[in-house]
Parts: sequence; C-alpha cells; structure tokens
Amino acid sequence: DTAVSQTPKYLVTQMGNDKSIKCEQNLGHDTMYWYKQDSKKFLKIMFSYNNKELIINETVPNRFSPKSPDKAHLNLHINSLELGDSAVYFCASSQGPEPFYGYTFGSGTRLTVV
Amino acid sequence: SQKIEQNSEALNIQEGKTATLTCNYTNYSPAYLQWYRQDPGRGPVFLLLIRENEKEKRKERLKVTFDTTLKQSLFHITASQPADSATYLCALDMSNNAGNMLTFGGGTRLMVKP
Repeated sequence: DTAVSQTPKYLVTQMGNDKSIKCEQNLGHDTMYWYKQDSKKFLKIMFSYNNKELIINETVPNRFSPKSPDKAHLNLHINSLELGDSAVYFCASSQGPEPFYGYTFGSGTRLTVV
Repeated sequence: SQKIEQNSEALNIQEGKTATLTCNYTNYSPAYLQWYRQDPGRGPVFLLLIRENEKEKRKERLKVTFDTTLKQSLFHITASQPADSATYLCALDMSNNAGNMLTFGGGTRLMVKP
C-alpha cells in the first residue's frame, strides 16, 4: 500500500492552461505539505496544512491554490501555467506540524509546461 | 537570510569505505536537523533526526553528528555499498511565525563504486 500517492506522475501542458495535482496519504497523519523541486534539485516548501487548515504559505503566486477536503488529501491547482512552473512537485505528510517528525514524501509529479 | 550548504559536487568512494557528507548552515539555530535519501525519480526518504542537545545519533550503518557551535552536521555511512548510491539531503527546522517547516539543502550525490 502506497503511503503518500500523487497523481499524475507526469504532466505535460501548454502555457496558460489550468491543471491539478492530487495527493492522498493513508498514514493517518495530521499535516500535509507541497514542495517544489527545481532543475537544480532544491526542494522548496510551498504550502503546509494541518488538519485541513492552511498554516504555511511560502510566498507562492496566487495562481497556485491548494485545497484540503479532509486531512488525508491535499490537492494543488495551478492556473495560467507559465514556463517557470516546470518542476517536480512533491506532496509529503507528517504526524504533526512539530519539527520533530520526519516527513513521508510521495514519488512526485513532473510538470512540464511548453 | 538562512542558508544551508551541502557539497554540490558528487562524492565518489570505494565500496567498504566510510562516506562522510557535510551540511553547514548559517544565520539560524535549528532545534532539529533531519537527513533524507533521494533516488532518481523518487521522493526523499526520511533517514534520521537529531536534536540540538544530541551530539550523535546512530541507526545501523548510519551515524549523524550535530555541532551547534560549528553550525554543522556530518552524515556517515560505514561499510558503504553500491546500493547506498543516492543523493542525500539535510533538512533543518526553520520555524517562523507562520509555523514549523523543514528547509532542505541542495543535497550531495554519493556514488559507491564496487
């Protein structure tokens, strides 16, 4: 059973389109995250949700809108896609928002904007 | 601003030797530090967490040290094997008023040759 699953794994789309990435965790964790890994392999946090409530929004453009229908799901919707949005997006979860919990990551969604 | 530095060049070692990876940070005093392993096309996998009042942590062939005076963590893999080849990421708890969050270094790629 996959602990943190993301769909789709690959996403190729044209500039200006709107797309969504879905994430689900079956670990019973309270906290979920979206991270972006760019071509230089740096992982940068985008959003953090705890029990469906947004707790961190790291200066991400308004075109990115996360939605957490319940604590097991955190989806990411991106409007008006730009070339610079091309990256690998990782969903992760942890038992709680405290820093002494390790994160469990999904396998990533590679987004290519052409 | 806070900065996390890992050696961006690949580390090549011979099977059976000890691999030592370095994580340096500036302008911050994290209470927790974590290490992750990332294989190509996969999400990071949590390995170890060390607290600021712990000097050393071990797990099987892995050992992590945390020197808050030097602002440095060392990650050791003893008796290295080709299967240990991967990118290793350090991550620091960089909590702010918004909440707790892990900030990742750029990773060091380890290649263990048979």
